[in-house]
Amino acid sequence: SQQGEEDPQALSIQEGENATMNCSYKTSINNLQWYRQNSGRGLVHLILIRSNEREKHSGRLRVTLDTSKKSSSLLITASRAADTASYFCATDPTGANSKLTFGKGITLSVRP
Amino acid sequence: GAVVSQHPSRVICKSGTSVKIECRSLDFQATTMFWYRQFPKQSLMLMATSNEGSKATYEQGVEKDKFLINHASLTLSTLTVTSAHPEDSSFYICSASGTAYSGNTIYFGEGSWLTVV
Repeated sequence: SQQGEEDPQALSIQEGENATMNCSYKTSINNLQWYRQNSGRGLVHLILIRSNEREKHSGRLRVTLDTSKKSSSLLITASRAADTASYFCATDPTGANSKLTFGKGITLSVRP
Repeated sequence: GAVVSQHPSRVICKSGTSVKIECRSLDFQATTMFWYRQFPKQSLMLMATSNEGSKATYEQGVEKDKFLINHASLTLSTLTVTSAHPEDSSFYICSASGTAYSGNTIYFGEGSWLTVV
């Protein structure tokens, strides 16, 4: 069964705007990760946030984690057409390089 | 550059034949590799966890006799789809983690498109 549930499932924005994607999960986690997937390609790791962290930044990416609500958000600021891709959250229950459980993904389209 | 390489990236095979997909870690020794399956516009579903030198651990509902996994070395895991059927057509992705890397980053291959005709 899916651990992560992202919303919205699809998001279309104009270049330059910010994109916010949310992920909810059901069980306890050691960390939560966000990945990007271009159409028909493999996954690229974007950012990892541990269960004892609340916010993390990496370039134009900002991730938040609320363990009380079992939810996370990924914010991409000043979006670019090249950000068009599918984004997945994935939960790691133990943190020991254990298997990840992926959400259904969000398709982001950034219009130039 | 890529740290996990998958081959082939695309393969077409006839029903009833077997096809092998390779997953190699390029810059590190992968003690554990994971195999996922992804249908179009859907999420990744973990099929099995492959540990070097031991039998793979399959997820519930995945036929281990149909999806043979071998992890014979610290840099190579293979997935063999045996007696392939059209419903096996899918995108297969591997990922790898190893002791050379600290933290919990897992590296993914570029995936392999399998079409069974």
